[in-house]
Amino acid sequence: GAVVSQHPSWVICKSGTSVKIECRSLDFQATTMFWYRQFPKQSLMLMATSNEGSKATYEQGVEKDKFLINHASLTLSTLTVTSAHPEDSSFYICSATLAAYEQYFGPGTRLTVT
Amino acid sequence: GDSVTQMEGPVTLSEEAFLTINCTYTATGYPSLFWYVQYPGEGLQLLLKATKADDKGSNKGFEATYRKETTSFHLEKGSVQVSDSAVYFCALDRGSTLGRLYFGRGTQLTVWP
Repeated sequence: GAVVSQHPSWVICKSGTSVKIECRSLDFQATTMFWYRQFPKQSLMLMATSNEGSKATYEQGVEKDKFLINHASLTLSTLTVTSAHPEDSSFYICSATLAAYEQYFGPGTRLTVT
Repeated sequence: GDSVTQMEGPVTLSEEAFLTINCTYTATGYPSLFWYVQYPGEGLQLLLKATKADDKGSNKGFEATYRKETTSFHLEKGSVQVSDSAVYFCALDRGSTLGRLYFGRGTQLTVWP
């Protein structure tokens, strides 16, 4: 089946620094990818839609200047958390669209900001 | 706005027991509905889906029927196995862009031998 990877799987950074998370579709091309955030024991919250070759579309309430998304190729989308603060600590998950109703999810990246 | 309300867990069952995880939704229009499963250390995987009212999705012994009149999509399995232990998420597709999913809170299922 289709595989989506994320790197790193976990990261610790200091408050005020930036951190980049990569999402790759390993065996298919994805013009559209999605970024979610998951808090402990809570559902996944959609943050943004990442479109290859164009600007990302952010959900209401998501700070686009804090969460920078780049979809530079058909197999790679990146999420950069800028000037990270402890409240940005979370589990970040990406998904990629293979076909209609076929979403493949990455295993997630745990971000801890100290 | 759109929302998904999912039965709170955790749910603990003995092997071969009957499973029901309730899911109801609120949405404008006619969303598509999904159940995803997350095994420990793995990404979410699509378990089953239904794209219109009265559709029944099924996979690996799990079933769910899209009930428009009750706005529900309850997950059922007649006989659970230890290997079914995972977190189950109900989700709806918001429709404007396929893949923009709105998730319930997830239900942790543990099956004991």
